[in-house]
Formats: sequence, structure tokens, C-alpha cells
Amino acid sequence: SAVISQKPSRDICQRGTSLTIQCQVDSQVTMMFWYRQQPGQSLTLIATANQGSEATYESGFVIDKFPISRPNLTFSTLTVSNMSPEDSSIYLCSAAPGQGAHEQYFGPGTRLTVT
Amino acid sequence: DAKTTQPPSMDCAEGRAANLPCNHSTISGNEYVYWYRQIHSQGPQYIIHGLKNNETNEMASLIITEDRKSSTLILPHATLRDTAVYYCIVRPYTGNQFYFGTGTSLTVIP
Repeated sequence: SAVISQKPSRDICQRGTSLTIQCQVDSQVTMMFWYRQQPGQSLTLIATANQGSEATYESGFVIDKFPISRPNLTFSTLTVSNMSPEDSSIYLCSAAPGQGAHEQYFGPGTRLTVT
Repeated sequence: DAKTTQPPSMDCAEGRAANLPCNHSTISGNEYVYWYRQIHSQGPQYIIHGLKNNETNEMASLIITEDRKSSTLILPHATLRDTAVYYCIVRPYTGNQFYFGTGTSLTVIP
């Protein structure tokens, strides 16, 4: 199993600013992912964070708005850029030990409120 | 496109078995059925997965119909800590991403 931590756990930000969320895994993992969970909704996959290359974004999400870094096998960051109140959500990081792994491990999430 | 259909909510008495259904009528031969749950204010947690045989682990049992068009997650003795949203997901065995549907909100009642 893998333990995932995220920083910050929550933040309140002003519109127009950016926030970078960090995701740290306690072991090396091949796959890392970022999700968004809007209030009262299910999880939506934002992107797959690829180590050593650009992230792979899902439909509706773009790099300019959600730049992602994956510098090594245990760490990733997601930036929410030029924030608006519609970006108020919980952002979750997940990881899987290998390609096609049946179990993904999720972090506790970062609760973002944009005012 | 929603690949699974689940009831939005269910109740279960504490100590009784919770049976959560999932329809996946368009499932392909190379797709697994996965179950995750999300307890309030936490990240989702893996429960179990299966291809075509019934599966059991320390958390739950997964019953998949012979035609694989539906499945049931069984929590044999529900406790208050099992109150959560339960997600049924189908994914190709070669896939890496999980796409979550709306899930079933299970409330275990004392």
C-alpha cells in the first residue's frame, strides 16, 4: 500500500490568484493522478501526471489552467491558475504502483475555496 | 458516457448485510468491475474488484452475474463506519484511469 499526503489541506484564495497543491507519496509509484470533486458531486479526473513528460489531460481540462509537475516517482504538484469561484472544490491526488494496477491510493484532498 | 448505473441512496440496519447493486450492461469482455468507497471528508478507498468470478476479501464480497451485466457488493455485517458513498466502476484490464460515476450513498442506521 501507499500513504499519500497533500499540502495544503485547505485554503481560501482570492479570485485571479493561483494555488499550488503538493502531493507526496511514501513510496515510488509509476502512476499519479489528479481529481476534482465539486461540492456534493462525484470525482472528476483532471489529468494523469507523467514522470518526466507532460501530463495527460482529460477532456475539459487544459494545461494553462491546471499545470502539473511530476519531477520524480514520489511527488507531484497541481496548480490551479487564475482562480474563479467556480474552482472551489476538493482536489485529490491518487497514485498506483504500476500500470494497470487494480488499486489506487488516494490522498485526503485539498479543500479550496475561492472568494 | 455513464458505464454503470447505481441507486442514488440506500439504508441498511447496523449488523445486517448491505447489498449494493450496480448495472453495467455494456461491459466488455476485457473490463473489470471495481468498487471504491468514500467516507465523508476522506479520499476514496479501494474495496474489491472482479472479472467474472465472485470475489471475497476481508472487507466485502463481490457477486457478478453470469452475463456480467450487473454486480452486487455485499458488506456482510454493516457497521456505522460503513456509511459512505460507494462507487462501482468498470475499467479495461489494460487501463490506468478510474472514471467515477455518481455512486450510491449508503447510510447505516443504528
